Order: sequence, then structure tokens, then C-alpha cells
Amino acid sequence: DAGVIQSPRHEVTEMGQEVTLRCKPISGHNSLFWYRQTMMRGLELLIYFNNNVPIDDSGMPEDRFSAKMPNASFSTLKIQPSEPRDSAVYFCASSLAGGLDEQFFGPGTRLTVL
Amino acid sequence: AQSVTQLDSHVSVSEGTPVLLRCNYSSSYSPSLFWYVQHPNKGLQLLLKYTSAATLVKGINGFEAEFKKSETSFHLTKPSAHMSDAAEYFCVVSVGQAGTALIFGKGTTLSVSS
Repeated sequence: DAGVIQSPRHEVTEMGQEVTLRCKPISGHNSLFWYRQTMMRGLELLIYFNNNVPIDDSGMPEDRFSAKMPNASFSTLKIQPSEPRDSAVYFCASSLAGGLDEQFFGPGTRLTVL
Repeated sequence: AQSVTQLDSHVSVSEGTPVLLRCNYSSSYSPSLFWYVQHPNKGLQLLLKYTSAATLVKGINGFEAEFKKSETSFHLTKPSAHMSDAAEYFCVVSVGQAGTALIFGKGTTLSVSS
């Protein structure tokens, strides 16, 4: 298996633009997580899907952020409009069975908002 | 309320000496506990996990951790550090019936000198 795949690996955009991050979980995994990592705040869970349904989105910072999982093999995290404070590394992870199981992390997307 | 505290933000050891990374947690429930490692510019990788079985948990690369309920601790140890162990380490608590609440510690950076 190729592991969790994220695209793009790097994204540079200007303030106000829409940004879409993509994630393909490991085949057969039914849980998917989006995280954000910054020096100031460390690693934060943004949202957690189980069987394509959002279970916990309490970590989503504000309405500018939205996440979807239209099927078991694809998820997106969208920021619209983007702001400089959104600059971070965004990780996607998947697991067989929720937060109690080992999570497999993707390589991350480094987002820079100018 | 649930929380995780990694007591040291940075630990420095010499190659061949023991490693101790400290983690304390607070939880109203019986927690599942994890240690993850992150090498530079990489995603996180599971080192080991505790899920209410044996209190001494062995992980990959010679690491182990002991769950001490009385001390609410889950410290990570390794008898002899290797240069390749230099990385950031995260203690994670998963609580809730479906492990829906994932709480990450702030991380401990381990430096290993020759």
C-alpha cells in the first residue's frame, strides 16, 4: 500500500484565495483525521470522520474552514478565504477503527499564505 | 477535563545513554495512550500504545513505556540512545467511547550527540 497520500505537498497562495488540500486514506481504513501543526500551537486535531461522516469537528477554527469526505477514498480540507495565520503544515491520517487505533499519517501539506 | 502534559520541551542525551521522555495525563475515563515520533519534515509514526492490557508496553526501535495509573504517567524510555532517535516525540491521549477525543501533548524534541 502506498500509505496516506496528500496533495499538494507545498502550497503558496495569497491572502483571500481559496485553498483546497486533498487526502487519500489507506484502503480499508474507515476513519480519517485532519490535523494542523504550527510552532505556536503544536499539533491540533481539526476534524475526524468515521465511515465518511464527520464525528468531531470541534477543532475546526472557524467558518472559513470546511472538510468533506464524499467517499471512503477521498477527503478535502478547504480554506476560503485564506489568511496568513492559516500558514501551517496540514496532516491527514487514517486508521482502521477510530481514535483508539493506530493512525497512519501522510507526509503533510505545507501551506504558506502571503 | 482531559489533558496531556509533556514535562520537557527539549531533552538532550549522548549516544549510548538512556532516554527518558516524560508524559502526564488527566482523564475522567480509562484512557488509551500513545507515543508518536516525528522526524524532520515527516508525518507522525506510532511508537507504541497502551489500551488497558499490560502496563509495560514495548514499541518499535527499542522504546518502551509504563502506564502508572497512580501517578497518571506514561513515560517513554529507551536504554541506549542512537543518533537516529533524534526527533520530536508526542504523547497522545485518546478518550471517549469511540476514542473521539484525541489530545496531543506539545511535543518533546530529543537531541542525540555523539
